[in-house]
Amino acid sequence: QSALTQPASVSGSPGQSITISCTGTSSDVGSYNLVSWYQQHPGKAPKLMIYEGSKRPSGVSNRFSGSKSGNTASLTISGLQAEDEADYYCCSYAGSSPHVVFGGGTKLTVL
Amino acid sequence: QVQLQESGPGLVKPSQTLSLTCTVSGGSISSGGYYWSWIRQHPGKGLEWIGYIYYSGSTYYNPSLKSRVTISVDTSKNQFSLKLSSVTAADTAVYYCAQYPDGNWFDPWGQGTLVTVSS
Repeated sequence: QSALTQPASVSGSPGQSITISCTGTSSDVGSYNLVSWYQQHPGKAPKLMIYEGSKRPSGVSNRFSGSKSGNTASLTISGLQAEDEADYYCCSYAGSSPHVVFGGGTKLTVL
Repeated sequence: QVQLQESGPGLVKPSQTLSLTCTVSGGSISSGGYYWSWIRQHPGKGLEWIGYIYYSGSTYYNPSLKSRVTISVDTSKNQFSLKLSSVTAADTAVYYCAQYPDGNWFDPWGQGTLVTVSS
């Protein structure tokens, strides 16, 4: 069982917006603004999409945004495109051991 | 631009030790400000943090694997390594190495290497 809880799957039509939640505890997500999000296409390595809760690395589309409220972080993808279909993982620094916790992953299907 | 590449045997026998190396190019592993990490992904499953090491040698491990894991660094070769002892079929996974800045995110990642534990 993963330390962070994500929905197993979400779906949306092209052009729509979707949000993926990532629920942790006051020991990880709630205590640090250090949530990151990763996109993984089949057979590929994960790719950083969001770091420090809401920051986008250079080259990542501004259609991707992150936020946090309490113990829950969220990834929102606006203007869904077919290429967004992938697995998405959240990750948080957790302070004490284990230092890092991942969510179980969410499969995004673009209808 | 930093790049990472995993290498090592793709097949390990049960009870033996899994050994992987991550070679860092485009940057120095000794530059500071980064932890060098190992993460694995069981087939069809999610990501699991194994541990990381600072260039000085300080290590932090996932408590679920701590008794079997050793991560080391060779600054002269710009490499860091993973050893996982007493492996079983449950250790079959794709193993990734990644850079982990003090800001706490994983980027970049290596391409990953599949390690199968089987006799």
